[in-house]
Amino acid sequence: RKEVEQDPGPFNVPEGATVAFNCTYSNSASQSFFWYRQDCRKEPKLLMSVYSSGNEDGRFTAQLNRASQYISLLIRDSKLSDSATYLCVVNNRAAGNKLTFGGGTRVLVKP
Amino acid sequence: GAGVSQSPSNKVTEKGKDVELRCDPISGHTALYWYRQSLGQGLEFLIYFQGNSAPDKSGLPSDRFSAERTGGSVSTLTIQRTQQEDSAVYLCASSSKGIASGANVLTFGAGSRLTVL
Repeated sequence: RKEVEQDPGPFNVPEGATVAFNCTYSNSASQSFFWYRQDCRKEPKLLMSVYSSGNEDGRFTAQLNRASQYISLLIRDSKLSDSATYLCVVNNRAAGNKLTFGGGTRVLVKP
Repeated sequence: GAGVSQSPSNKVTEKGKDVELRCDPISGHTALYWYRQSLGQGLEFLIYFQGNSAPDKSGLPSDRFSAERTGGSVSTLTIQRTQQEDSAVYLCASSSKGIASGANVLTFGAGSRLTVL
């Protein structure tokens, strides 16, 4: 089993709709969780950190479910510019705090 | 500089040649990662440096790949006897360590695109 797993998609989303997807992780000792966004042929960039209580940044909401070991990202009122690959990142304290990426979930927002 | 700097941005080489890719991380960042990304694929972890600890080399695909980080700052990824399957974008990222806000957040360089003919 991979340490961090994501549905690769693509998720085809009508403009204005809501889309949500999860990322599961296998290491129960993980403490830090992030969502990154990667546009085509660009480097990944931090979208948001994920906090235990859940957090929101504009149209983006991130949740952490420690019991089931997954994090989620929800995008409301999708814009065409939200089309990208969304990468989840989890740390591994036992491995010197190494950060591990999931394979990414591709989201395509269409008019 | 303010960000992670990588050079060269593009490198075309002939099969069998050696290449060196350089990464200049954000000043003060103790953690440095190298990843590889082929077209349309996810990030492939290569190597992780954290402070003075022994690097995690578990992602290096073969003994033709090596990396070093001198003085805890600049890192060089070396690929010997390049093969066509080495063609990819090589991304470097750095982060600070700790529990403070912003710690463990990776900042990526723009990458070095390697093409092996």
